[in-house]
Amino acid sequence: DAGVIQSPRHEVTEMGQEVTLRCKPISGHNSLFWYRQTMMRGLELLIYFNNNVPIDDSGMPEDRFSAKMPNASFSTLKIQPSEPRDSAVYFCASSKGQPGTEAFFGQGTRLTVV
Amino acid sequence: RKEVEQDPGPFNVPEGATVAFNCTYSNSASQSFFWYRQDCRKEPKLLMSVYSSGNEDGRFTAQLNRASQYISLLIRDSKLSDSATYLCVVSTSGGYNKLIFGAGTRLAVHP
Repeated sequence: DAGVIQSPRHEVTEMGQEVTLRCKPISGHNSLFWYRQTMMRGLELLIYFNNNVPIDDSGMPEDRFSAKMPNASFSTLKIQPSEPRDSAVYFCASSKGQPGTEAFFGQGTRLTVV
Repeated sequence: RKEVEQDPGPFNVPEGATVAFNCTYSNSASQSFFWYRQDCRKEPKLLMSVYSSGNEDGRFTAQLNRASQYISLLIRDSKLSDSATYLCVVSTSGGYNKLIFGAGTRLAVHP
């Protein structure tokens, strides 16, 4: 199995630009998570999908952030417009969805907004 | 109050030492618990699940205290390769598997 695949691995963009992060979960997993990690705040859950439906988006910082999961094998996290404080590592993870099952993480996207 | 709280450390210990980390969680309805390990500039990976009766995997022992809402991880005979950040993870209930991570405890094992 290829694991969770994220792209790009690194992204440097200018303030005000739109940024789109992509994730392909493990086949057969029906839960998908987007996390953001910074030194100050640790690993924060942004949004959680189950069977392609957003279950909890209470962690999405503000309206500039949006996430979609059009099908079971693809999800995007979009930031528009981006700001320097959005600089972080964004992780996507997937799991089988049943309570008690572990989540597998992608390698992350390191975003720098200048 | 954060849902999952950990001492950020760092814990600096010599090789061969025994070290213990604690983690507290706020949601009494939480169902599942895990310890993840994260190496520098890498993604988190599952270290072990935490069961109500406690469980052991080699040098690692995890314990759960539901009454006090805390989880512990004990590492015996520390190795240099154990140096990493250890993340406490709690899964909420409601029929889903929403995983909330603590900020992590950093461990540095020195020769």
